[in-house]
Amino acid sequence: SQQGEEDPQALSIQEGENATMNCSYKTSINNLQWYRQNSGRGLVHLILIRSNEREKHSGRLRVTLDTSKKSSSLLITASRAADTASYFCATYDTGRRALTFGSGTRLQVQP
Amino acid sequence: ETGVTQTPRHLVMGMTNKKSLKCEQHLGHNAMYWYKQSAKKPLELMFVYSLEERVENNSVPSRFSPECPNSSHLFLHLHTLQPEDSALYLCASSRESGQETQYFGPGTRLLVL
Repeated sequence: SQQGEEDPQALSIQEGENATMNCSYKTSINNLQWYRQNSGRGLVHLILIRSNEREKHSGRLRVTLDTSKKSSSLLITASRAADTASYFCATYDTGRRALTFGSGTRLQVQP
Repeated sequence: ETGVTQTPRHLVMGMTNKKSLKCEQHLGHNAMYWYKQSAKKPLELMFVYSLEERVENNSVPSRFSPECPNSSHLFLHLHTLQPEDSALYLCASSRESGQETQYFGPGTRLLVL
């Protein structure tokens, strides 16, 4: 079963707007990670937030974590056409002893 | 460049062929992974290797056979595949297995005819 699930599945915005993606997970975590994937390429790690952190920033990225609701959000501010990609959250699955990725949010930024 | 390379980048094979996918990491990591990514499906974990030993085999059909000769190299040997095996195969590595950040290669796009 999938540990992390993102929503929305797809998001289309205009350049300069902010994009918000959400992730829900089911079990306790030590950290949650966000990755980005350009079409047909490998995933690239964006940011990791630990369970004792509520918010983290990296450039135009802002990640929040609410462990009581088992949810996280990724905000991309002042979006650019180059931000067009799929975004995945990932949490650790103790059963599989590996990260489990959600289905992803496909972001389209219109120039 | 993530420090993880994969070859070939594209592969077309018939159902009776035998081929191998190669992954190499230059990061000094101890854990390596194979994932399968099919259209409109979540990323599927196939195999996990830690210090060259397989620690997870996620109920993958035997027509997929992994090999990890050392901590820098990982292979996925393919034989008698089915058309539904067509997908993007991604290799990743991390410092240790578990909750560490993973670094992905660019993937091999496989088409089985």
